[in-house]
Amino acid sequence: KQEVTQIPAALSVPEGENLVLNCSFTDSAIYNLQWFRQDPGKGLTSLLLIQSSQREQTSGRLNASLDKSSGRSTLYIAASQPGDSATYLCAVKEAGTALIFGKGTTLSVSS
Amino acid sequence: GAVVSQHPSRVICKSGTSVKIECRSLDFQATTMFWYRQFPKQSLMLMATSNEGSKATYEQGVEKDKFLINHASLTLSTLTVTSAHPEDSSFYICSGRGGSYNEQFFGPGTRLTVL
Repeated sequence: KQEVTQIPAALSVPEGENLVLNCSFTDSAIYNLQWFRQDPGKGLTSLLLIQSSQREQTSGRLNASLDKSSGRSTLYIAASQPGDSATYLCAVKEAGTALIFGKGTTLSVSS
Repeated sequence: GAVVSQHPSRVICKSGTSVKIECRSLDFQATTMFWYRQFPKQSLMLMATSNEGSKATYEQGVEKDKFLINHASLTLSTLTVTSAHPEDSSFYICSGRGGSYNEQFFGPGTRLTVL
């Protein structure tokens, strides 16, 4: 059964710092991997989707990488801002199934 | 991306009552709808998957008689929590997939509080 793990569970950084969030999954036979942002009490905002054939995706200050063979993905946030404070969720999709989520990393960026 | 709405966004009910949550795909036909539940500081846990016009498939440990799912049209799915109890208090999020999209699109969630 696929399991998704995110490390660290929580992270606090000063504004302007570059940071990396980690995601690992146990079964490498995934269809795609997606990173989401969730603000407290709110729904999900999709940040980046990486297909299994891709190595990385970029959007603005965000860069997500995927190493399917080792079961790992990273989300890189450049020049962090207080507005980046949120919980970041990693989710993987296998063929014919729903997205399976990790527990998330709660990020706090102080000004 | 496509848009999914949920209603209500927040509901408080008494123990023993039933609550219905609606999930609508606004600009695409969701052939498949997914319902997730999220407890505080926990991840989203898949409850069930439903395909339009078919019975929902429930994940292990989810009571199908307690969480009734209807997906009668390509734009609407409903989740009814029957005889709700305080332990059913949670954040319920729906997600749709279909049309030209292979991606899942998520609703804004419904916060259920059972007193």
